[in-house]
Amino acid sequence: GQNIDQPTEMTATEGAIVQINCTYQTSGFNGLFWYQQHAGEAPTFLSYNVLDGLEEKGRFSSFLSRSKGYSYLLLKELQMKDSASYLCAVRNAGNNRKLIWGLGTSLAVNP
Amino acid sequence: DTEVTQTPKHLVMGMTNKKSLKCEQHMGHRAMYWYKQKAKKPPELMFVYSYEKLSINESVPSRFSPECPNSSLLNLHLHALQPEDSALYLCASSQEGGSGYEQYFGPGTRLTVT
Repeated sequence: GQNIDQPTEMTATEGAIVQINCTYQTSGFNGLFWYQQHAGEAPTFLSYNVLDGLEEKGRFSSFLSRSKGYSYLLLKELQMKDSASYLCAVRNAGNNRKLIWGLGTSLAVNP
Repeated sequence: DTEVTQTPKHLVMGMTNKKSLKCEQHMGHRAMYWYKQKAKKPPELMFVYSYEKLSINESVPSRFSPECPNSSLLNLHLHALQPEDSALYLCASSQEGGSGYEQYFGPGTRLTVT
């Protein structure tokens, strides 16, 4: 079967660092995406990993280990506006256009 | 221009109505998508168009009918919907031909079926 697991909820403090984990079991792998979605809004693209290692983009970084079926999204210097749902999605090797989505992690940033 | 636009923003329709959702992008993307999203759930893929041809239909009921008139436009025609079809309908687009192309989402249409 195909499965993506993420924590349901996380809480962090403004200015801190938070790591959101994602583990996946899919029949193939052709890249992993992280999206941010604020309540009532559309998902927005954050990062893409297809090779092992860390991709850094400003305050956001994403890591991938294909052998472990594991990724994380690291958010630094948290701001209140980072309170949102973070969705992990895997592109299956068999179908380039279809993403398998995790259920999302709801992050609350407190002052 | 990295924007996907959708109209209308909100739609309330009865079960006997016919309505259409519209989506437009001017990024030159040749893949366009329709998703349905319920509260606190991830987006659920409905249809994918590639080069204006329907390439994926995720066994969506026939009361939803997609159309891609040209490379910039995507429509979703709605007829005889059920209350459980009430959801946020998202359009997305991406480049085609590779694996690393992220999908850009429109703001969505909030649909309520009464």
